[in-house]
Amino acid sequence: EAGVAQSPRYKIIEKRQSVAFWCNPISGHATLYWYQQILGQGPKLLIQFQNNGVVDDSQLPKDRFSAERLKGVDSTLKIQPAKLEDSAVYLCASSFPTRGTGGTGNTIYFGEGSWLTVV
Amino acid sequence: GENVEQHPSTLSVQEGDSAVIKCTYSDSASNYFPWYKQELGKGPQLIIDIRSNVGEKKDQRIAVTLNKTAKHFSLHITETQPEDSAVYFCAVSGGSYIPTFGRGTSLIVHP
Repeated sequence: EAGVAQSPRYKIIEKRQSVAFWCNPISGHATLYWYQQILGQGPKLLIQFQNNGVVDDSQLPKDRFSAERLKGVDSTLKIQPAKLEDSAVYLCASSFPTRGTGGTGNTIYFGEGSWLTVV
Repeated sequence: GENVEQHPSTLSVQEGDSAVIKCTYSDSASNYFPWYKQELGKGPQLIIDIRSNVGEKKDQRIAVTLNKTAKHFSLHITETQPEDSAVYFCAVSGGSYIPTFGRGTSLIVHP
């Protein structure tokens, strides 16, 4: 079974520039997550999708971050304009759907991550 | 929201020793408690999980115990090997809130 695919793996940009990350979840997984992991910390959820609808984006800095999941499969996360503190690994993950809020109580499978450095 | 505390932040053991990592949480509605292992340059990988209707689960050298009354759960690794060296994260989910991760424990196994 193919895992969660992410690209690019590494990206270096200057502050105020923009960047976009792409994710393809495991086939059949309706729930998709974007996590931000700053060096030395645990993953922090940015946004959670159930199919192509947003379940939770309460921790997404909406003034600069945006995400979409068209057709309920692939997803893109965009940062514009980037700040120095956005340097982190951006992890995409997916899980099977559940009833209720979606995704809770189910195993989350992570991709390898996209490493962003803002200089 | 949920508050997850993970200890210790760093754990250094000799090969063959046991390692224990503990997490506490705040919301009694939590019902799913996975543990992830993250190696350098890779995404977190699930190694074991436990649900609230079970007190203990074991998979070869890895075990997880859950105390719902005290709201804590622990990862136990026996007969540690150098390849166990990694960062380990606990996570908590269930109820109406998003899955929340601990800050991680860096496990170093010395040959």
